[in-house]
Amino acid sequence: SQQGEEDPQALSIQEGENATMNCSYKTSINNLQWYRQNSGRGLVHLILIRSNEREKHSGRLRVTLDTSKKSSSLLITASRAADTASYFCATPLYNQGGKLIFGQGTELSVKP
Amino acid sequence: EAQVTQNPRYLITVTGKKLTVTCSQNMNHEYMSWYRQDPGLGLRQIYYSMNVEVTDKGDVPEGYKVSRKEKRNFPLILESPSPNQTSLYFCASRLGASGANVLTFGAGSRLTVL
Repeated sequence: SQQGEEDPQALSIQEGENATMNCSYKTSINNLQWYRQNSGRGLVHLILIRSNEREKHSGRLRVTLDTSKKSSSLLITASRAADTASYFCATPLYNQGGKLIFGQGTELSVKP
Repeated sequence: EAQVTQNPRYLITVTGKKLTVTCSQNMNHEYMSWYRQDPGLGLRQIYYSMNVEVTDKGDVPEGYKVSRKEKRNFPLILESPSPNQTSLYFCASRLGASGANVLTFGAGSRLTVL
């Protein structure tokens, strides 16, 4: 089964609203990464949060990490139509060459 | 520009006709990996390479081969493609084997096997 699982699977909002996506994982991690994928394109790294961090910001993105609940959330504030994409969380395994395990993703649609 | 380049971007082929998807990175990254992405199954790792001449199987290696003769190149070879290999393929690289490094992805190669 997937290490990371995201919720919701799909989210539709209006421009200007905030979008929150959640990710849960199963095993201990030393970091958690968020990626974005525009339809059919390659994934692009957004933000990495380490296990000793609780919150991290990058522009309109805010990521939180709760290691006690094994969960993370990605908040996009003041969303724009250009934010329409799929968002994935990913966690590296300690063995297997630090393989990244990706969640199923949240498909975000921002309507103008 | 730092990037991972995959070719071809789109390919339609027939069952059994050998094909190679090339992948090249210009960032001097040690670690490279191939993923396939399928609806409902997410991203699954096919093979990865920690450095030149060091490759290892991922989660779904059956039907695929890879080689890493040079640091920058990591081709994916389908010796005898079958329809269940129809998928969207991504090559990715990162600085080192540590999971603390982030992946840079190619734009993807959409393969259809008839």
